Amino acid sequence: QKEVEQNSGPLSVPEGAIASLNCTYSDRVSQSFFWYRQYSGKSPELIMSIYSNGDKEDGRFTAQLNKASQYVSLLIRDSQPSDSATYLCAVIFSGSARQLTFGSGTQLTVLP
Amino acid sequence: GAVVSQHPSRVICKSGTSVKIECRSLDFQATTMFWYRQFPKQSLMLMATSNEGSKATYEQGVEKDKFLINHASLTLSTLTVTSAHPEDSSFYICSAPQRAGSSYNEQFFGPGTRLTVL
Repeated sequence: QKEVEQNSGPLSVPEGAIASLNCTYSDRVSQSFFWYRQYSGKSPELIMSIYSNGDKEDGRFTAQLNKASQYVSLLIRDSQPSDSATYLCAVIFSGSARQLTFGSGTQLTVLP
Repeated sequence: GAVVSQHPSRVICKSGTSVKIECRSLDFQATTMFWYRQFPKQSLMLMATSNEGSKATYEQGVEKDKFLINHASLTLSTLTVTSAHPEDSSFYICSAPQRAGSSYNEQFFGPGTRLTVL
């Protein structure tokens, strides 16, 4: 069974610090990887997508993909209290007709 | 990013009634839409894939006769929860990939519908 696993959390970091979120997946040939942010009571919001090995940066967010090790991570620099949310890693497994498989999520709290 | 809307945002109903939830892609066409359910403190679980012009594909364990899906047009999919019971109370969310046929499968989520069955 194809799975996505994330740090159990919860994770707390002080304001201004770097928050590091990790995710592993079970299918070596997967091609599409996503990080979503979900505030309590709201639907997920796409933060980053990454398809190739290496780093992808967008503002304070950096996604890192290592297909050989089957992990994808998200770094949040200069963390702000407004970043406090649950972060969901999602993968489109090969042959899945663009269906997202989500990890269980990591709850992040940024302390002022 | 692309905009997906859902209606209603919140519904409270009595046990045994049916509830229809609409999902619309507002600025793009979506031949495929996805329906998820999320229980408190849990992640999103895919219920079904809605396909314009053909039958929906349901995930294992999801009753197709209870959760009726109709993809009426390239911008509208509906989920009807028939004979709802308290255990169906959940957060229902739809999503759509922005570019049909593209290998870049970014999906955008609707705001969700909070269903409470009394």
